[in-house]
Amino acid sequence: SAVISQKPSRDICQRGTSLTIQCQVDSQVTMMFWYRQQPGQSLTLIATANQGSEATYESGFVIDKFPISRPNLTFSTLTVSNMSPEDSSIYLCSVDWDRAYNEQFFGPGTRLTVL
Amino acid sequence: AQSVAQPEDQVNVAEGNPLTVKCTYSVSGNPYLFWYVQYPNRGLQFLLKYITGDNLVKGSYGFEAEFNKSQTSFHLKKPSALVSDSALYFCAVRDRRYSSASKIIFGSGTRLSIRP
Repeated sequence: SAVISQKPSRDICQRGTSLTIQCQVDSQVTMMFWYRQQPGQSLTLIATANQGSEATYESGFVIDKFPISRPNLTFSTLTVSNMSPEDSSIYLCSVDWDRAYNEQFFGPGTRLTVL
Repeated sequence: AQSVAQPEDQVNVAEGNPLTVKCTYSVSGNPYLFWYVQYPNRGLQFLLKYITGDNLVKGSYGFEAEFNKSQTSFHLKKPSALVSDSALYFCAVRDRRYSSASKIIFGSGTRLSIRP
């Protein structure tokens, strides 16, 4: 399985600021995904990030608010821009483990609190 | 469109008793089905999957799940619950037709509480 790390593990931020979350995978993967898990809720897909192309965003999520970079096959970043308290969530990255019938493996998550 | 339903927000079981966490799904084609577990302040951990073949699949920590195509269900089970099984459990589905190009859709989650 893939080993995925995220930085930071948690942060407390002020309204109106931006935070960039990093996701590092220990092997090359084609597709990386970013999810949001609001308190007590399920996971909602924000966007899919393929290396060398622009991220594909789900309905309700836009690039200006959640810009994503995917500079290589082992790394991606998600920025939460102009934050408000409603952005307080856990943000998780995940990868398709292509050799193993399409289950996704998840990073430990970044717990974001916006004051 | 794909969807997953977990009808129970919470399941309470006494330690040593069998447990079942329910999941039903809807996809246009044949599904890939998954169970994930989330412990407090942790990311999601993969438990088990159904791809094809035997309808009873076994996974980590003694969990198993039964795929029932006629009932479109994929219930998670364990013969004897442990207090350490207390966590949040998510069922998920992916449409087999599109393989890795399709999204994984997660259920709303079921909180499993095992009392000593």
